[in-house]
Amino acid sequence: QVQLVQSGAEVKKPGASVKVSCKASGYTFTSYGISWVRQAPGQGLEWMGWISAYNGNTNYAQKLQGRVTMTTDTSTSTAYMELRSLRSDDTAVYYCARAVEMATIDYWGQGTLVTVSS
Amino acid sequence: QSALTQPASVSGSPGQSITISCTGTSSDVGGYNYVSWYQQHPGKAPKLMIYEVSNRPSGVPDRFSGSKSGNTASLTISGLQAEDEADYYCSSYTSSSTLVVFGGGTKLTVL
Repeated sequence: QVQLVQSGAEVKKPGASVKVSCKASGYTFTSYGISWVRQAPGQGLEWMGWISAYNGNTNYAQKLQGRVTMTTDTSTSTAYMELRSLRSDDTAVYYCARAVEMATIDYWGQGTLVTVSS
Repeated sequence: QSALTQPASVSGSPGQSITISCTGTSSDVGGYNYVSWYQQHPGKAPKLMIYEVSNRPSGVPDRFSGSKSGNTASLTISGLQAEDEADYYCSSYTSSSTLVVFGGGTKLTVL
């Protein structure tokens, strides 16, 4: 069965960076993309970007351009999302998800809470 | 403010039908058939319920259906059940630089 298992919760200070991992299993990793979506406390879903696990091509949400980097390691079927220059409004649950194509997400990870606080 | 507009809340009694709307523009909902709907229970990850406007993934009950007219997509749940109580989000591909946009979410209450 398809599973996406994310790394644990993080607490960071403003200005720091965070890197969240997402290990995929149960399918051919390079046949799909990985999308990242975040959800601030009590708020809705926000699409952050997408990476092709086949060739590493990326598309990022414009508001995060320059602060976010998405990568994959095909040898371990793991995707990574790094967010830099953290601010308090980056506090959210970060989800990785399998993308059938960029706009359709069919399986989600369990989420990783990132708290940004001084 | 979300790019796609959904009602904040809807409610219905068990056995009834409800419809949740998702309004965008010709640059997203109206221009592409890449509309998805997700169900999210409190504290849980979202679950795909409908993709490409009206397709159901395997395992999703046929009580859930999707449609689109112009710039508005809709999710209909018939024969409401208690376990349908959750937040529902629509999403769409968009030709803007954002690429994928979500609605603000709709809280469904089963009375």
